[in-house]
Amino acid sequence: GENVEQHPSTLSVQEGDSAVIKCTYSDSASNYFPWYKQELGKRPQLIIDIRSNVGEKKDQRIAVTLNKTAKHFSLHITETQPEDSAVYFCAASIGGSQGNLIFGKGTKLSVKP
Amino acid sequence: DTEVTQTPKHLVMGMTNKKSLKCEQHMGHRAMYWYKQKAKKPPELMFVYSYEKLSINESVPSRFSPECPNSSLLNLHLHALQPEDSALYLCASSQRPRAEGEGTEAFFGQGTRLTVV
Repeated sequence: GENVEQHPSTLSVQEGDSAVIKCTYSDSASNYFPWYKQELGKRPQLIIDIRSNVGEKKDQRIAVTLNKTAKHFSLHITETQPEDSAVYFCAASIGGSQGNLIFGKGTKLSVKP
Repeated sequence: DTEVTQTPKHLVMGMTNKKSLKCEQHMGHRAMYWYKQKAKKPPELMFVYSYEKLSINESVPSRFSPECPNSSLLNLHLHALQPEDSALYLCASSQRPRAEGEGTEAFFGQGTRLTVV
């Protein structure tokens, strides 16, 4: 079955710096890769996603890149702000299914003012 | 309306109790999910309903019993739970993919924080 590895597990950056979180997946049939942000005590919220027919997608300070050959995808946050502090989860769709997701273990991002 | 609504927000139950978690969405999504999330862990898929039919059960113990009465509602019936079942239970919904194998965005509810005593 699908396995998603996520690194690092914790990341601390200074406000204004960039943050990069990396994930790898195992199932070559996976074709949808969302990133969720979860603040303490709250629900996971989608921040950006990418499909397998696209190599890069950007939304303001957030970008995601996908390398299908290597089976890895990354989240890039530029000009980080304290409110970016949260746990970030990458996920991959289970190949051939109806949109079921397998999540990485999460990265706790801390942005220091 | 882009909300997935879960009730109750918090639940404390004894190991001999029977309780139910409820989830509702009015986005016309035909796929609904139950996830379990332990502290500092990612959400783990428990059940998937597609067009009100159970399509995936990820080897979940029978003390958890899902039900999908209609396309907008999803329940999770709980019976004889163990303290290790204490967790945040998240409901999610998504559109059916346009093509086989195409993933779609999952919208999550706020979750029910369950404590089993």
